[in-house]
Amino acid sequence: KAGVTQTPRYLIKTRGQQVTLSCSPISGHRSVSWYQQTPGQGLQFLFEYFSETQRNKGNFPGRFSGRQFSNSRSEMNVSTLELGDSALYLCASSPGDRENTEAFFGQGTRLTVV
Amino acid sequence: AQTVTQSQPEMSVQEAETVTLSCTYDTSENNYYLFWYKQPPSRQMILVIRQEAYKQQNATENRFSVNFQKAAKSFSLKISDSQLGDTAMYFCAFTLIMNRDDKIIFGKGTRLHILP
Repeated sequence: KAGVTQTPRYLIKTRGQQVTLSCSPISGHRSVSWYQQTPGQGLQFLFEYFSETQRNKGNFPGRFSGRQFSNSRSEMNVSTLELGDSALYLCASSPGDRENTEAFFGQGTRLTVV
Repeated sequence: AQTVTQSQPEMSVQEAETVTLSCTYDTSENNYYLFWYKQPPSRQMILVIRQEAYKQQNATENRFSVNFQKAAKSFSLKISDSQLGDTAMYFCAFTLIMNRDDKIIFGKGTRLHILP
């Protein structure tokens, strides 16, 4: 069974640009969650999608958005990039049925904003 | 609000020794899951062990075991016979069962070095 795939692995963007990150969950998983990991703040929850619907959202500005497609693949978008958006963005895949809470993570996308 | 606290930013132990990583959490809810995740330099977050709050018996997975003290809201991880491959960041994490989503709350992590 293929794991969680995040693309791209590395990204360098300039302040003010926008970026789109992609996450393909494990086959059969319907929930995709996104986390931002920084040395200072640790892992912070961005949002979670289940069956194309956002079920929860963390405390991030509206510049951070996401969506999920019918095949459960998810994208997150960050507009008007700021230097502080430099981070490792992790995607987690889970069945989403709340009976099995084990989340499987991708290797992340390292975003650097210059 | 739920919080997870890991008081040890960094630890080092010799190979084959036993090490315990501390974690405390805060919640007013009664039903939840607790996790320990490992993040090696490859950045892949891997689930090490999971504990259901309604289970009194401490979870074990080979060399990894937890000491779950629900009243004290404590959830420590013990690694026995530590190996060089155990070198990684370890995150304690928490999710509510009553949640309608799969949001996980993480501690800040403990960087563990296993020394040869």
